[in-house]
Amino acid sequence: KAGVTQTPRYLIKTRGQQVTLSCSPISGHRSVSWYQQTPGQGLQFLFEYFSETQRNKGNFPGRFSGRQFSNSRSEMNVSTLELGDSALYLCASSFQENTEAFFGQGTRLTVV
Amino acid sequence: AQSVTQLGSHVSVSEGALVLLRCNYSSSVPPYLFWYVQYPNQGLQLLLKYTTGATLVKGINGFEAEFKKSETSFHLTKPSAHMSDAAEYFCAVSVPNQAGTALIFGKGTTLSVSS
Repeated sequence: KAGVTQTPRYLIKTRGQQVTLSCSPISGHRSVSWYQQTPGQGLQFLFEYFSETQRNKGNFPGRFSGRQFSNSRSEMNVSTLELGDSALYLCASSFQENTEAFFGQGTRLTVV
Repeated sequence: AQSVTQLGSHVSVSEGALVLLRCNYSSSVPPYLFWYVQYPNQGLQLLLKYTTGATLVKGINGFEAEFKKSETSFHLTKPSAHMSDAAEYFCAVSVPNQAGTALIFGKGTTLSVSS
């Protein structure tokens, strides 16, 4: 069974630009969550989608948004990039709520 | 609100020695608890989880953890460290029966293993 796939693995963007990251969950998983990992703040929850609906949202500005498609694939978008948005963005999928989450390898975003 | 505290951002052990990584949680309801491991430039891999039932949980690679409600702790142990155990370890908590799933992570503990 294929794991969680995140694309691209690495991205370099300029301040002020926007970026879209993609996540394909494990087949059959309907829950997709996103996390931001930085050296200073650690792992922080961004949001979670289940069957195309956002069920839970972390404490991030509105520049961070996401969506989930009918095939459970998810995208997250960050607009008006800031230097502080440089981070590893991790996607996790679960079969249903409160079951174990399986993580992808992440997308390393660098904002210059 | 839930929170997780991992005591010690860095732990160093010798190969063959006991590994003990500490995790304390705060939750208003009985939580689900997890330990994840992260190798450089990789995602997170689940080591073990506690939901209900037996409080001593065995995971992969010889790791285990014990849920102690009275101490609000979920410490991770391994009897004998191996060089390949060097990585960063994260304790996490989630709240069961809550719409939506959000893992709240500790700050992580980097484990170094020397020969």
